[in-house]
This record gives sequence, C-alpha cells and structure tokens, in this order.
Amino acid sequence: GAGVSQSPSNKVTEKGKDVELRCDPISGHTALYWYRQSLGQGLEFLIYFQGNSAPDKSGLPSDRFSAERTGGSVSTLTIQRTQQEDSAVYLCASSLEPGAGIFGQGTRLTVV
Amino acid sequence: AQTVTQSQPEMSVQEAETVTLSCTYDTSESNYYLFWYKQPPSRQMILVIRQEAYKQQNATENRFSVNFQKAAKSFSLKISDSQLGDTAMYFCAFIRPQGGSEKLVFGKGTKLTVNP
Repeated sequence: GAGVSQSPSNKVTEKGKDVELRCDPISGHTALYWYRQSLGQGLEFLIYFQGNSAPDKSGLPSDRFSAERTGGSVSTLTIQRTQQEDSAVYLCASSLEPGAGIFGQGTRLTVV
Repeated sequence: AQTVTQSQPEMSVQEAETVTLSCTYDTSESNYYLFWYKQPPSRQMILVIRQEAYKQQNATENRFSVNFQKAAKSFSLKISDSQLGDTAMYFCAFIRPQGGSEKLVFGKGTKLTVNP
C-alpha cells in the first residue's frame, strides 16, 4: 500500500482481556517498529524487526507483550491480560533505512 | 543510554512569524542521526527533517531548518513563515545505528500553536 496501515484505529477492551493490534507496513520496507505513546508523553520503543534477523524485543515492558511479523510483512502486537496502564496509542513504523520511518496513524487502546 | 530533552512543553507563535524549538541530547557516540517529527491531531507522525551527525551543514526543508551544534549536543528546529497547519506536537528524536537494531529515542515533545 501507499502508507503504513494500522488496525483497528481504536480499541476499547476490558481489563484482563487479550488484544491484537495489526500493522501493514509499506511494501518492500524491511524494518518494522512498534512504539507506545502514553498520554502526554513521547514515544517509547517496544520492538524492532529487521528482515530475517531476530527481533529486538528490549523495549517490551512485560511478558504480557509479544509481537510477530509473518513473511517479513504484516506484524501483530499482542497484549495479554490487559491492564489499565496499557492504555495508550500504539504506533507502527516501517523503513528502508535507520530512523527515517514512515508511521501509521496508530491504534488508540483503552482498557476499562 | 541516550536521552533526548525538549525543554519547552508548549510554545505559540503568530502566523507568518518565526519560531525555534529546542532539543538537546546526550550521547558518547560520534555516528548518529537526529530527526524532528511532527504529530498533528490525526496522530500520524510525520518526518519533518533529518540530520546526519557527520555532516556539518545544517539540514533544511523548505520553511524548516535546523541549527545542529554537535559539540553542544544541541539540535534546534526553526520554522519560518509559520502557518496554521504547523500547529502540532513536535518531537525531537535520536538514533544510533548499533549493528542492526536502530531504534528511535524520542523527547517528550513540544506543543506548538500557531495563532492567526
């Protein structure tokens, strides 16, 4: 596609439920990033995929968070047993070169 | 660990005037990249300008330019002829290529309002 597509745009879930957030990167972009933006804060790195290399998971805040990237394209971020502190905007970006990522419009997650 | 500091939580400017947003960073590395991103209410992060640390010349993109002071670890963004559409959050970001894991480190942002 022409841009990075994220779905859903908004998600409201009950505390304790699992959620899946999806990211469709720009075709041909080998790098894919997930970031989290809490209210009034900057972006916090979560996980990075580069080609077939092992992902950099150093930013995942707990073992309730996991992500996959299938076939070097679509990525899914899964949050298990959601907590209220997981409420945030989750942003995905893809790129061909360091840092110059094209971002999607994000998924706003609200845990009630 | 690298850190990025934006000391101005909010700024405002009149339309057509010039405004400068401040950013400082902390690193011991010599090879890195710096960025300014704009985030309008639509939430989408838009790359405004990029600077490679090895380049002494300041980057410019139309009305946007930077003042990169490597020794001082300062990377300010100047917006000339401000327009209403420039109203947004602006984030300064740093990246250090580190053997295949290049992740952006962001400042907390500056909320810019352009007034008519």
